[in-house]
Amino acid sequence: DVKVTQSSRYLVKRTGEKVFLECVQDMDHENMFWYRQDPGLGLRLIYFSYDVKMKEKGDIPEGYSVSREKKERFSLILESASTNQTSMYLCASTDPSGGVRETQYFGPGTRLLVL
Amino acid sequence: AQTVTQSQPEMSVQEAETVTLSCTYDTSESDYYLFWYKQPPSRQMILVIRQEAYKQQNATENRFSVNFQKAAKSFSLKISDSQLGDAAMYFCAYRSPFQGGSEKLVFGKGTKLTVNP
Repeated sequence: DVKVTQSSRYLVKRTGEKVFLECVQDMDHENMFWYRQDPGLGLRLIYFSYDVKMKEKGDIPEGYSVSREKKERFSLILESASTNQTSMYLCASTDPSGGVRETQYFGPGTRLLVL
Repeated sequence: AQTVTQSQPEMSVQEAETVTLSCTYDTSESDYYLFWYKQPPSRQMILVIRQEAYKQQNATENRFSVNFQKAAKSFSLKISDSQLGDAAMYFCAYRSPFQGGSEKLVFGKGTKLTVNP
């Protein structure tokens, strides 16, 4: 079974803090994604990476950065957390085989509260 | 840019009954992929069913089936014999064909399904 794990299920941080969200996958997938999930807005892509040290901006990259130093690990960084970044963060990974069989596997999510 | 619309924020169904969740999308592409994902409360998002646009036959997975209407750009999910474990958020998603790297998924806003005993 593919396993995507996220470092924390719940996180409480203060405004201005630097926040690291970690995601690890165990299937040697090349592609990894960070989404933000908010009620009524669905999932919105923040960043994705299709190789080590490679990254591309998604739809809402402002206020976030990412790091992928190893294939299995993809980190999301909030340089200076703000209250409007309170949200559920989902990590996903996939093998870019293409076609309909390419499935994104999701982690359990990290619910971040910024006070 | 592609968009995905789920017009039903919430739906409810009686256990053992059938329910249909709606999804429409907008695209100028002729080939693409469509997905339904399920997110149970406090649990991980999982893939329910997928459909290739060039296939006219509707995909089915046990009690889950889709009604894919390409001309109408509609991709509804039918859940038959609903079970309590079907209660979840359901997301419809669109993906462009593989063009190198990886194409991202475009998600709808979700439909919260409640199953009443």
